[in-house]
Amino acid sequence: DAKTTQPPSMDCAEGRAANLPCNHSTISGNEYVYWYRQIHSQGPQYIIHGLKNNETNEMASLIITEDRKSSTLILPHATLRDTAVYYCIVRPASNAGNMLTFGGGTRLMVKP
Amino acid sequence: EPEVTQTPSHQVTQMGQEVILRCVPISNHLYFYWYRQILGQKVEFLVSFYNNEISEKSEIFDDQFSVERPDGSNFTLKIRSTKLEDSAMYFCASSGDRVYEQYFGPGTRLTVT
Repeated sequence: DAKTTQPPSMDCAEGRAANLPCNHSTISGNEYVYWYRQIHSQGPQYIIHGLKNNETNEMASLIITEDRKSSTLILPHATLRDTAVYYCIVRPASNAGNMLTFGGGTRLMVKP
Repeated sequence: EPEVTQTPSHQVTQMGQEVILRCVPISNHLYFYWYRQILGQKVEFLVSFYNNEISEKSEIFDDQFSVERPDGSNFTLKIRSTKLEDSAMYFCASSGDRVYEQYFGPGTRLTVT
């Protein structure tokens, strides 16, 4: 499984875009990039995933570089409720148990 | 919007006692999971369950742990003889065909004294 590297913490001003980077330089061709977040004391929440094309949904946008060695999760207009730990996870399309491996993530603090 | 529910929200038990944590996954999901998070640490995978059997389990999921889907709606985690180090938040999750889009419950905080 590809290893991911994320900055331990970031700040963002409320209303501004939050850009959260993730490095996954050892990603394989069949591995997807998934993003989850965990708001304090709550269960992790699925945000978005992608293979090689950029993706957008109601929560966020995911930009994956052409070489797929890194990606950026974009929250276009961060609110105080987006304060959370954000996890970048690389997984193949499916495997025996579908386990998610959470690293340390990036602690995003959205400030007024 | 459908959601995963867990009961109880907080369970306090004495060391050596058995506990059962309960989860109701999203109704049309077929894959079920338990994760745990010790205070201040990472979320850790425990076990995945599909078609009434365990698909994968981690090293944490030893003989003290068991899972069951006793009926069409509940999914349970049993810890046979709790230890102090089992104190953690336990999260249940479920997924459909998109197996890595897992939907997590609010968790059960287990405190072993």
